[in-house]
Amino acid sequence: EAEVAQSPRYKITEKSQAVAFWCDPISGHATLYWYRQILGQGPELLVQFQDESVVDDSQLPKDRFSAERLKGVDSTLKIQPAELGDSAMYLCASSRTNRQQGEQYFGPGTRLTVT
Amino acid sequence: GQSLEQPSEVTAVEGAIVQINCTYQTSGFYGLSWYQQHDGGAPTFLSYNALDGLEETGRFSSFLSRSDSYGYLLLQELQMKDSASYFCAVTNDYKLSFGAGTTVTVRA
Repeated sequence: EAEVAQSPRYKITEKSQAVAFWCDPISGHATLYWYRQILGQGPELLVQFQDESVVDDSQLPKDRFSAERLKGVDSTLKIQPAELGDSAMYLCASSRTNRQQGEQYFGPGTRLTVT
Repeated sequence: GQSLEQPSEVTAVEGAIVQINCTYQTSGFYGLSWYQQHDGGAPTFLSYNALDGLEETGRFSSFLSRSDSYGYLLLQELQMKDSASYFCAVTNDYKLSFGAGTTVTVRA
């Protein structure tokens, strides 16, 4: 069964350092999402791609966060510089199209700890 | 913006039936989804309702009433492995927004 791949699974970094997360969606899925989930809360959308284009990045803190999906397949989310409040689970998800966004498939996530 | 309300916790015994309610307020509503998340794991898609009515998938069923801005997830024949967080999520325009989640604890 096809799955969304993410790496690394865990990341510990010091504040003010740069950190990057990678995601490879299910093959053939045109829409890719990055979420942040704080313990005890639901996932919050950071950025959404349709192919290589950003559809929604209204909740992305653009002063420190950036995301790209250059060839419309895999994607990278970067934080520079990291702050203590960025500690969270970063989840990547994909759906076949943006019209099927109610049915998303999530990767295992990257647990980020900023010290 | 949008808001979703669901109970924070539910506890039940094995074999019981649990209903998790979700009320929402949003514009441009398309549908209501349900996701399951075990501790330390990723959310797993359970169901999506775009039309009014009940959808059944094995032991889990999901219901939607668009006129009442209300839906629920029904978990039947509860098993220990059903202990997890359950999130309702609304699709509006082009975005999926999650509720805060309901922690279901199944006791032997």
